[in-house]
Amino acid sequence: DQQVKQNSPSLSVQEGRISILNCDYTNSMFDYFLWYKKYPAEGPTFLISISSIKDKNEDGRFTVFLNKSAKHLSLHIVPSQPGDSAVYFCAASADFGNEKLTFGTGTRLTIIP
Amino acid sequence: NAGVTQTPKFQVLKTGQSMTLQCAQDMNHEYMSWYRQDPGMGLRLIHYSVGAGITDQGEVPNGYNVSRSTTEDFPLRLLSAAPSQTSVYFCASSYGQAGYYNEQFFGPGTRLTVL
Repeated sequence: DQQVKQNSPSLSVQEGRISILNCDYTNSMFDYFLWYKKYPAEGPTFLISISSIKDKNEDGRFTVFLNKSAKHLSLHIVPSQPGDSAVYFCAASADFGNEKLTFGTGTRLTIIP
Repeated sequence: NAGVTQTPKFQVLKTGQSMTLQCAQDMNHEYMSWYRQDPGMGLRLIHYSVGAGITDQGEVPNGYNVSRSTTEDFPLRLLSAAPSQTSVYFCASSYGQAGYYNEQFFGPGTRLTVL
């Protein structure tokens, strides 16, 4: 039972355009959501997060949107750069302050120069 | 700071063999955890520890043992390896301060193949 779902295994975007990565969840107890970025042969690195009390969080080129009623979040990258090519994992945590994460299956983003 | 280190980077085992995956961090983090990554499955939590001497099970603990005798180290033991344990294993750590989420730092991973 996949509680965090990333339905797009891959996404290709032209350099300079907007990349939108999507994530859906089923567990109503999740109250904190994160995006991790992973390059080949490296561990995931934290990118951006959002608490369930917010619907948007912005950090430079990265913005995460949360729609609690739809149990959906998305990561927007504007403008997309070649260095953004990586696998992006959505993750969720229940009981705010709990580091036990449930991860999605990942989306491979390729930025086309 | 070396951050989170994992050894070995690669390992091939035969079914039934035992081994220990090493994980160490030099950031004085209280919280440490082990995840495995399988194709089409994302990362799944195996075991975690909120401090020295305290461990607990995650989502997929069967076939794995852990212990936490020091703040720095959190080894993962496979007692009798099975082909189903072929995976990439990641160790992570964080401050683990109660009340809010603490960013987790991941190691580079260990790629394990069980024949």
